[in-house]
Amino acid sequence: QQPVQSPQAVILREGEDAVINCSSSKALYSVHWYRQKHGEAPVFLMILLKGGEQKGHDKISASFNEKKQQSSLYLTASQLSYSGTYFCGTEGSQGGSEKLVFGKGTKLTVNP
Amino acid sequence: DGGITQSPKYLFRKEGQNVTLSCEQNLNHDAMYWYRQDPGQGLRLIYYSQIVNDFQKGDIAEGYSVSREKKESFPLTVTSAQKNPTAFYLCASSLGSSYNEQFFGPGTRLTVL
Repeated sequence: QQPVQSPQAVILREGEDAVINCSSSKALYSVHWYRQKHGEAPVFLMILLKGGEQKGHDKISASFNEKKQQSSLYLTASQLSYSGTYFCGTEGSQGGSEKLVFGKGTKLTVNP
Repeated sequence: DGGITQSPKYLFRKEGQNVTLSCEQNLNHDAMYWYRQDPGQGLRLIYYSQIVNDFQKGDIAEGYSVSREKKESFPLTVTSAQKNPTAFYLCASSLGSSYNEQFFGPGTRLTVL
């Protein structure tokens, strides 16, 4: 079951904050977040595991709410380099499958 | 430098022809994956392999085939049975557990004329 990402697109000015959500109808074991710039390969941002803590990476952090089967990616004080499409990839509650199902992506545009 | 390579970057084929996309990694990763990306659709899993000589179908395996004869290599064949083969194809690899990130290759853009 493909996770649902929201919003589909967001436009920011440099320095503004954004939140991207990823929701699943199934219980989750892990959530991966990736960013892809146009024509390039996706690049890993972070992994959140069931029972784990909120993760952070510079000014990008994420949370994982197991009860709601939802993860959120927080981008604070956005930079021009944050522009791209963000994908979440989810793994079912049993874990160990090593197989991710990706959402359709959220396109983030950061303007000067 | 360790990494994952895909070739060619752009590929054109006539309708009805089979075509094989190359994927090689020197990261010593056990798991390898093939994804298809269409505009607005995200990444959809075609096939994946957790170990040499073994692979599993993903969500959209129809019209595709793979082999995993070597740990480093996971070629994807797009057969004539695939109804809409024009797409961006991404190969990825990982150490092979839920805790490990996937590393993606640069992709191959296949256009079937």
